[in-house]
Amino acid sequence: GAVVSQHPSWVICKSGTSVKIECRSLDFQATTMFWYRQFPKQSLMLMATSNEGSKATYEQGVEKDKFLINHASLTLSTLTVTSAHPEDSSFYICSARDSGEDSGYTFGSGTRLTVV
Amino acid sequence: QKEVEQDPGPLSVPEGAIVSLNCTYSNSAFQYFMWYRQYSRKGPELLMYTYSSGNKEDGRFTAQVDKSSKYISLFIRDSQPSDSATYLCAMDAGNNRKLIWGLGTSLAVNP
Repeated sequence: GAVVSQHPSWVICKSGTSVKIECRSLDFQATTMFWYRQFPKQSLMLMATSNEGSKATYEQGVEKDKFLINHASLTLSTLTVTSAHPEDSSFYICSARDSGEDSGYTFGSGTRLTVV
Repeated sequence: QKEVEQDPGPLSVPEGAIVSLNCTYSNSAFQYFMWYRQYSRKGPELLMYTYSSGNKEDGRFTAQVDKSSKYISLFIRDSQPSDSATYLCAMDAGNNRKLIWGLGTSLAVNP
């Protein structure tokens, strides 16, 4: 089945620094990838839709300049949290769908970000 | 009213029990229905994917979709302690539109 690899699985950074999270589709091409944020004991909140070769589409209330998304190839999307603050600490998860199959969305294993 | 309603639980059952998890929705445009399992500090894992109404079975899992009632279910037979997790329903209208999620139901299967 489709596999999505996400790295790193966890990261601790200092306030004011930037953190990059990678999301790769390992055995399929994904023209569209999705970035979610999840707080403890809450459901997933869609942050943005990453489109290969074009600008990402951000959900209402998500700061474009703070959460930079780049989808440079059909297998890789990155999310960069810029000038991180403690309130950015969360669980970030990416997902993608194999456009060549009639299937659900596959998720990465998630990245736990802690800003200190 | 939320687009997707799901009872967050927690739901606690003995090992071997049949578990029934449900979601209701309001948007009749939804055509694709998914159930995900999420363990703590992990990404969601796709369990079942169904299109339109009907049943789908995979091992101990059965998914049901009733579009006329806007109601979907996931049944787990012979539940195991390893099934203890949060189960989320998700659905979309197709054409790469964003998934709409339920809150998730926390399930504990006790040995």
